Amino acid sequence: ILNVEQSPQSLHVQEGDSTNFTCSFPSSNFYALHWYRWETAKSPEALFVMTLNGDEKKKGRISATLNTKEGYSYLYIKGSQPEDSATYLCAFVGGSNYKLTFGKGTLLTVNP
Amino acid sequence: DSGVTQTPKHLITATGQRVTLRCSPRSGDLSVYWYQQSLDQGLQFLIQYYNGEERAKGNILERFSAQQFPDLHSELNLSSLELGDSALYFCASSQRGGGETQYFGPGTRLLVL
Repeated sequence: ILNVEQSPQSLHVQEGDSTNFTCSFPSSNFYALHWYRWETAKSPEALFVMTLNGDEKKKGRISATLNTKEGYSYLYIKGSQPEDSATYLCAFVGGSNYKLTFGKGTLLTVNP
Repeated sequence: DSGVTQTPKHLITATGQRVTLRCSPRSGDLSVYWYQQSLDQGLQFLIQYYNGEERAKGNILERFSAQQFPDLHSELNLSSLELGDSALYFCASSQRGGGETQYFGPGTRLLVL
């Protein structure tokens, strides 16, 4: 059974704070690592797909890094806004069958 | 709006019954995935289809089955329903089914009473 762990489980920050959270995944048979943003009452929305060790991706105030050798990825949010409040999911994709194994997510709440 | 549609949005049924959930992928996407989201679980992968053929299977119960039709829409059939099957069921689609970005539908919330 693949283990994809996300920490912390939940996080409360103030508007303007920068924050980051972690996704840990198996370091063997790596194909890709996905990040999704899931707002309450909506469906998960893709943020990044990362494939190469050392990859860094950025979308506005959100960025992510990838370390496939040690099996972790960080998601950073700079200057958090209330609209960033959501659950952030990562998903590991193994090279054998390309299916996504999701972590349980980090629930971010940004207080105005 | 991801372009993936799912019907119905909500479904309430009784134990022992059978239901069918429907999904239409984004235009041009050949692969469809089904996921289950229960209260204390993360998104659990159930099954994947690519261009009408089953490609990968996850933690799908024997009471559940799925298919993808020639027009690429997919149906997930859940039978002999139990209380524990109450969950949010998502469909997602992608272009090739090779680990690329998946686009999620709005989900079907199933309540089994």
